Amino acid sequence: ILNVEQSPQSLHVQEGDSTNFTCSFPSSNFYALHWYRWETAKSPEALFVMTLNGDEKKKGRISATLNTKEGYSYLYIKGSQPEDSATYLCASFVYGGSQGNLIFGKGTKLSVKP
Amino acid sequence: DSGVTQTPKHLITATGQRVTLRCSPRSGDLSVYWYQQSLDQGLQFLIQYYNGEERAKGNILERFSAQQFPDLHSELNLSSLELGDSALYFCASSVAPSGVLETQYFGPGTRLLVL
Repeated sequence: ILNVEQSPQSLHVQEGDSTNFTCSFPSSNFYALHWYRWETAKSPEALFVMTLNGDEKKKGRISATLNTKEGYSYLYIKGSQPEDSATYLCASFVYGGSQGNLIFGKGTKLSVKP
Repeated sequence: DSGVTQTPKHLITATGQRVTLRCSPRSGDLSVYWYQQSLDQGLQFLIQYYNGEERAKGNILERFSAQQFPDLHSELNLSSLELGDSALYFCASSVAPSGVLETQYFGPGTRLLVL
């Protein structure tokens, strides 16, 4: 069974703090890693799709790195704002036979206090 | 707004009953995915359809079935409902079939409560 693990489970920071969290995935047969942001009472929204070892993606104050050899990705938020409060999900794309699908972690819930 | 619509938003039913959840993908998207989010669980992939055909299957129970219609909307049928089926059910859509690099656009979800 393929497990995608995220840590920490939850995080409370003050406005202006920078923060980061981890997504771990099996490194064998890696295809792609997806990051999603899920605000309460809304739908998950895509942040990044990453495929190459050493890849780094950035969107505003949020960036992500990927290490496919050791099976982890970091998501960084610089200068957290209250509107960054959300659950951040990562998902690894896996193939089983001829079909594939995303396996999601349980997420890191970020709360940013003003 | 992702452009993916799901109905109903909330559903309360009893054990043993059958319900149908409906999803309309974004305009132009041919793939539809169904996910289940139970308490303390990550999003669990159930099934994917592409242009009317089943494309990939996850840990979907035999009591559950889905289909995608010619107009590309999809329905997820849950039967012989049990308390443990209470969850948030998401539909997502994307353009292409493979899903590897495809961004999936999620609907608002249907919250099912089985009493």
